[in-house]
Amino acid sequence: LAKTTQPISMDSYEGQEVNITCSHNNIATNDYITWYQQFPSQGPRFIIQGYKTKVTNEVASLFIPADRKSSTLSLPRVSLSDTAVYYCLVGDDNQGGKLIFGQGTELSVKP
Amino acid sequence: KAGVTQTPRYLIKTRGQQVTLSCSPISGHRSVSWYQQTPGQGLQFLFEYFSETQRNKGNFPGRFSGRQFSNSRSEMNVSTLELGDSALYLCASCRQGSQNEKLFFGSGTQLSVL
Repeated sequence: LAKTTQPISMDSYEGQEVNITCSHNNIATNDYITWYQQFPSQGPRFIIQGYKTKVTNEVASLFIPADRKSSTLSLPRVSLSDTAVYYCLVGDDNQGGKLIFGQGTELSVKP
Repeated sequence: KAGVTQTPRYLIKTRGQQVTLSCSPISGHRSVSWYQQTPGQGLQFLFEYFSETQRNKGNFPGRFSGRQFSNSRSEMNVSTLELGDSALYLCASCRQGSQNEKLFFGSGTQLSVL
């Protein structure tokens, strides 16, 4: 069974808020949820990480409900430059030096 | 603080040749890991080195190898290149390689095998 499930692709327009949901039904008690962003021909970049409730930084917010079986990455007021692939990693998918990436969500932001 | 540096940025080789890619981690980072990215298979973990020792290994044939030096710089080598080895090879570093630790990636080396 896949550790995480994300939509394969999403479309949005500049200025909108984008929410990408990741399902992780088998998340373990000690697992954190981590998101990476990747632009074409570049390495992934860490966006945000959380364990429960809500985490916010200068780039995004991460919402985690009480049961922790899903999480939502929220990008406020997206621009064209937010067009990228977004990966959700949970638990053993994020062993520090060893990351297990799924297929990610390809976000396309249009003018 | 300089980021993760990978050289060369682009490389063209022919089948049967071998290639060596280089990665300089962020200063103070002792864990270096390597990934292969292709359109068909996505991002796949190759191996991780910590303090000059291979600590984790992905599911790749023995043609793929690596090493880490005492200054934490790392190289990976691919021998007897095949067409399917054409990919973006990414290097990442972090301090210890602990669970949930943030990884910093380089821009990668784009390898084309003809």
